Amino acid sequence: EAGVTQFPSHSVIEKGQTVTLRCDPISGHDNLYWYRRVMGKEIKFLLHFVKESKQDESGMPNNRFLAERTGGTYSTLKVQPAELEDSGVYFCASSQGRSVGDTEAFFGQGTRLTVV
Amino acid sequence: KNEVEQSPQNLTAQEGEFITINCSYSVGISALHWLQQHPGGGIVSLFMLSSGKKKHGRLIATINIQEKHSSLHITASHPRDSAVYICAVDRGSTLGRLYFGRGTQLTVWP
Repeated sequence: EAGVTQFPSHSVIEKGQTVTLRCDPISGHDNLYWYRRVMGKEIKFLLHFVKESKQDESGMPNNRFLAERTGGTYSTLKVQPAELEDSGVYFCASSQGRSVGDTEAFFGQGTRLTVV
Repeated sequence: KNEVEQSPQNLTAQEGEFITINCSYSVGISALHWLQQHPGGGIVSLFMLSSGKKKHGRLIATINIQEKHSSLHITASHPRDSAVYICAVDRGSTLGRLYFGRGTQLTVWP
């Protein structure tokens, strides 16, 4: 069974450009999470989808970030326009419908975004 | 202050040594996760625990719910154990969202 896959693995863009990151969760996983690690800091939550619905987007830094999960399968995270402080590693994770405290999360390889 | 604190931040060991990484958290949790990230690699789940102790090969994870503390132990460490080890907690009320520590960079020399 394929794990969580993310594309691209690396992206270098200029400030002001647009970048779209993609995450394909494990098939059948309703929960999809986006996280980000900025250099020197801990990994932080961005948002959570349950199927195609945004369950919690409280971690999205600002309105330059737009996440979608059409059809409840893969998800995209678009940054438009990108700023220097958006650089970091973006992780996607997925899990099955949960019972409290017993859901294992599966992570993708991450997308390293560098804004220059 | 982060909800999850790890120590040490960096750890260097000689092959064969016993290693302990500590994690303290300040919030109520439903589960605690230990994760591993190799250089340039993705994040792999090592353990998810809500009480007691779990063992997988040379890795052992323990948690003390009353003290809000967990430890990850590696016995007979090996250079291939070199990685970043990350503690993360599920607060239960936040639908699987995880809160992360900053990670511990472990380097094991042959």
